[in-house]
Amino acid sequence: AQSVTQLDSQVPVFEEAPVELRCNYSSSVSVYLFWYVQYPNQGLQLLLKYLSGSTLVKGINGFEAEFNKSQTSFHLRKPSVHISDTAEYFCAVTQGGSEKLVFGKGTKLTVNP
Amino acid sequence: KAGVTQTPRYLIKTRGQQVTLSCSPISGHRSVSWYQQTPGQGLQFLFEYFSETQRNKGNFPGRFSGRQFSNSRSEMNVSTLELGDSALYLCASSLDMGYEQYFGPGTRLTVT
Repeated sequence: AQSVTQLDSQVPVFEEAPVELRCNYSSSVSVYLFWYVQYPNQGLQLLLKYLSGSTLVKGINGFEAEFNKSQTSFHLRKPSVHISDTAEYFCAVTQGGSEKLVFGKGTKLTVNP
Repeated sequence: KAGVTQTPRYLIKTRGQQVTLSCSPISGHRSVSWYQQTPGQGLQFLFEYFSETQRNKGNFPGRFSGRQFSNSRSEMNVSTLELGDSALYLCASSLDMGYEQYFGPGTRLTVT
């Protein structure tokens, strides 16, 4: 069965600092990988996705992620964060041919002034 | 294009009652999935419908059921509500398998 591990439940950073949110997955078959963001009292918004091709994926709001098959990782990065990036971030995986998203437990990013 | 809409946004029910939640997907999307989000269990997949057929189902008891209509709108029903059913229920739509899923704002269900 697929599983997703987000290694940090909370990440505090200062504004304009870089940030990396870590995500590891386990699957024996090829997968599609996603990062979603959830602001308070809202649904999930897709930040970026990896389906195939280039392992470096760029998303919205200046975020990017790198797919590393050998390390089964899909870490999310941003070179300079803003206060408005404060939210909860979810890494998710789905096996090709299935719509079932398996989510990690989430990482709460808090950007402090 | 309008996004995924869910109604109602908030709901308070009593144990033992049943509830129906509604989801309208993005126009043209034929796949609708439902997820339950709780602080303890996180985000868990409930089921997915495509062209009125359930294609996939998560590990939830039979009290949780759903359906999809010919216009792709979907409903989920929870019967005999338990306190543990209190959660944010999220609906997501996509064109088909392999395409990204777009989420609605969710329905916050509180069971007292």
